[in-house]
Amino acid sequence: GDSVTQMEGPVTLSEEAFLTINCTYTATGYPSLFWYVQYPGEGLQLLLKATKADDKGSNKGFEATYRKETTSFHLEKGSVQVSDSAVYFCALSDRGRDDKIIFGKGTRLHILP
Amino acid sequence: GAVVSQHPSRVICKSGTSVKIECRSLDFQATTMFWYRQFPKQSLMLMATSNEGSKATYEQGVEKDKFLINHASLTLSTLTVTSAHPEDSSFYICSASGLAGVEVTEQFFGPGTRLTVL
Repeated sequence: GDSVTQMEGPVTLSEEAFLTINCTYTATGYPSLFWYVQYPGEGLQLLLKATKADDKGSNKGFEATYRKETTSFHLEKGSVQVSDSAVYFCALSDRGRDDKIIFGKGTRLHILP
Repeated sequence: GAVVSQHPSRVICKSGTSVKIECRSLDFQATTMFWYRQFPKQSLMLMATSNEGSKATYEQGVEKDKFLINHASLTLSTLTVTSAHPEDSSFYICSASGLAGVEVTEQFFGPGTRLTVL
């Protein structure tokens, strides 16, 4: 079945460092891909998404490009801030927005001042 | 984005009792609500999908008689864990999606409920 694999955490970086969180997926169809973020004590929030190959999702300085050839959707940010400390989930949905979402295990990110 | 709340945020109960968790969409009408379960350091696992006014659709391996889901209105869904046991201890998260015109919105997630069964 469909699945998402993302790098294990925690990831600890200094402020202004470059961030990459790897994510690869397995899907039978043509999924939409998502990154969700969960700040401490809050619910999951959609960070960015891409619905087809070569699409780039971006938000709050974060970017991810839908790479069909490598089945990847890596999350990047050029200069992280302390406020980016959170848990990041890569996810896919294979049948549209109102259908089930399959999540990766999450990657906890700590940014040191 | 839209806001989804859950109540309670934490609950501790004795083995054998039942626990009800509420999920509310505060500023939109949720035609579909989803219930997830998350174990420590694990993915969110979808338990069931419920559409307002109809029976929930459970994922394979989820006991429908143990995890009762009711979605009686467009702003409220409840998950009742019946005869809870320690292995039911987990983090339960709901999400909701609705209609904006003719388009379906993204899923908006609640903050989760931590259930501990003693």
